Amino acid sequence: EDQVTQSPEALRLQEGESSSLNCSYTVSGLRGLFWYRQDPGKGPEFLFTLYSAGEEKEKERLKATLTKKESFLHITAPKPEDSATYLCAVQSGSARQLTFGSGTQLTVLP
Amino acid sequence: NAGVTQTPKFRILKIGQSMTLQCAQDMNHNYMYWYRQDPGMGLKLIYYSVGAGITDKGEVPNGYNVSRSTTEDFPLRLELAAPSQTSVYFCASTSGRTGELFFGEGSRLTVL
Repeated sequence: EDQVTQSPEALRLQEGESSSLNCSYTVSGLRGLFWYRQDPGKGPEFLFTLYSAGEEKEKERLKATLTKKESFLHITAPKPEDSATYLCAVQSGSARQLTFGSGTQLTVLP
Repeated sequence: NAGVTQTPKFRILKIGQSMTLQCAQDMNHNYMYWYRQDPGMGLKLIYYSVGAGITDKGEVPNGYNVSRSTTEDFPLRLELAAPSQTSVYFCASTSGRTGELFFGEGSRLTVL
């Protein structure tokens, strides 16, 4: 059974204070690891897909990295508009569904 | 582009009532999913479909039913509503090639 654990549950940063969110996973044959952003009252919005260890993806102030056991979402010089819940998910083998973690709620204070 | 459209956005049910949450997508995606999200918890898969006429159970299917008669629509039926079904329900779709899911805005259901 696929498992995804995200930490911390909540993170408060000052504007400009860089940090990282962690996603640890257990999966039988990783097909893809996904990061989503979710704003309050909205559905999750896709950010990145990572397929193999060592892969990195960047988008504005966000960079996602992947190892064989975990993924990190690095946030560089965050702004208040980066405040959201960030969800990690994995897809294994021939599965057609994703398994989600419980998310990290990020608050960036001005 | 409409993307994934869910209705209703909000609904209050009494225990034992039934209702259908509607989901429609206009991206010609084969794969569609229903998730529920409880406070502080991740998304739990209820049912999914890989194409018209094909559905399968997810992690938490009890108390729910689905059908997929067309590529565009994937309604979720709640029979005999219970307080444990109070949640936010999200419908999502994907072409299946990249795994990227497109989500609707959610339907918030309260069972009293």
